[in-house]
Amino acid sequence: QLVESGGGVVQPGRSLRLSCAASGFTFNNYAMHWVRQAPGKGLEWVAVISYDGSNKHYADSVKGRFTISRDNSKNTLYLQMNSLRAEDTAVYYCARSPDGGNVGLGRYYYMDVWGKGTTVTVSS
Amino acid sequence: DIVMTQSPDSLAVSLGEGATINCKSSQSVLNTSNNKNYLAWYQQKPGQPPKLLIYWASTRESGVPDRFSGSGSGTDFTLTISSLQAEDVAVYYCQQYYTTPQTFGQGTKVEIK
Repeated sequence: QLVESGGGVVQPGRSLRLSCAASGFTFNNYAMHWVRQAPGKGLEWVAVISYDGSNKHYADSVKGRFTISRDNSKNTLYLQMNSLRAEDTAVYYCARSPDGGNVGLGRYYYMDVWGKGTTVTVSS
Repeated sequence: DIVMTQSPDSLAVSLGEGATINCKSSQSVLNTSNNKNYLAWYQQKPGQPPKLLIYWASTRESGVPDRFSGSGSGTDFTLTISSLQAEDVAVYYCQQYYTTPQTFGQGTKVEIK
């Protein structure tokens, strides 16, 4: 099970940190993704992190502003979002990848378990 | 980036009839070293998160009804619902995981005629 939290209403230019608490599986065996969905729009992949946190990849739209991280001792995934923009308004989902990721190749798989999402609204 | 294009954007199908959704990638997602297509399909019902249906282009996720099937290779893929049920009303997305950034199609909305 994955449960996201930390969403809310924030002004443009401010920061927010999302969390995703994992349970029911061995968290440190799996790579993890963040995926977002703007209101009425499709799915947009945001970022992925390897099972051990050593390898991370980002969508160009968030690179340099968002940071994905994990604390395997707490079974928790994070997304630190800085310099937020109106276009970052979305439901943010965390999702599990079915393995730890190929760190050497930077290759990650699909998403087999999804959280229910947390809503981020960027507005003045 | 690999662009994923689905067609149609929406379709209306009678209960019990078949539905076909197409997905085309801007470059091949076939890994010739293992002969696997890095293509997944998801179903999203209103107010719910996406649900994995198919991975490796044609492998059905555990618990997914066998009326859902995936096919295709390289750049052209298809999701088929053999006999539409009321609970299949949803938006369906294809996704490539061949490379990062991973990308999704724009979605296809399936409704009952």
